[in-house]
Amino acid sequence: GEDVEQSLFLSVREGDSSVINCTYTDSSSTYLYWYKQEPGAGLQLLTYIFSNMDMKQDQRLTVLLNKKDKHLSLRIADTQTGDSAIYFCAESRGYNNNDMRFGAGTRLTVKP
Amino acid sequence: EAQVTQNPRYLITVTGKKLTVTCSQNMNHEYMSWYRQDPGLGLRQIYYSMNVEVTDKGDVPEGYKVSRKEKRNFPLILESPSPNQTSLYFCASSLGGSRPLHFGNGTRLTVT
Repeated sequence: GEDVEQSLFLSVREGDSSVINCTYTDSSSTYLYWYKQEPGAGLQLLTYIFSNMDMKQDQRLTVLLNKKDKHLSLRIADTQTGDSAIYFCAESRGYNNNDMRFGAGTRLTVKP
Repeated sequence: EAQVTQNPRYLITVTGKKLTVTCSQNMNHEYMSWYRQDPGLGLRQIYYSMNVEVTDKGDVPEGYKVSRKEKRNFPLILESPSPNQTSLYFCASSLGGSRPLHFGNGTRLTVT
């Protein structure tokens, strides 16, 4: 199975909060990332958190990290239709980009 | 504008006909990498390069070749494409270490 696991689909109403969850397996992960992929485009870095942090907030985005459970979440407040995309969780297991592992992606659909 | 440029965006070819997908970055990044994206599998790394003339295999290198003769370019070569290489391919680059990856817009390859 996947080293990094995410649910494949999430549907919310415009204006609600979205929470996308991710579990990873390597307790030695250094950085954890959230990338966004819009249709026809590459992955765009949304935010990242260092493994010694529990939380990071950036405008409408809140990242929570539970190292004990190896669980990462991305909360999007006041979700808009423009937030509809695929969101990828990724972990960096060392200090090199070649140690990065991606989840399968969560497709977020925002209904008006 | 800082970017990673892949060409072509779409490619349809036949089994066994050699092809090259180009990737170029204008950010003076040392690290470059190729991924393939398949439904339900997320991104899997094909090859990566830590610097000029330094390349190494990722998780799924079979059937692919790469070269890194210049810092900005990292072409992906399929000497004899097969239908199981039908996929969406992404090139990415970074400054190295665990710094975030910058992705190209992808190349959708179909091998018949």
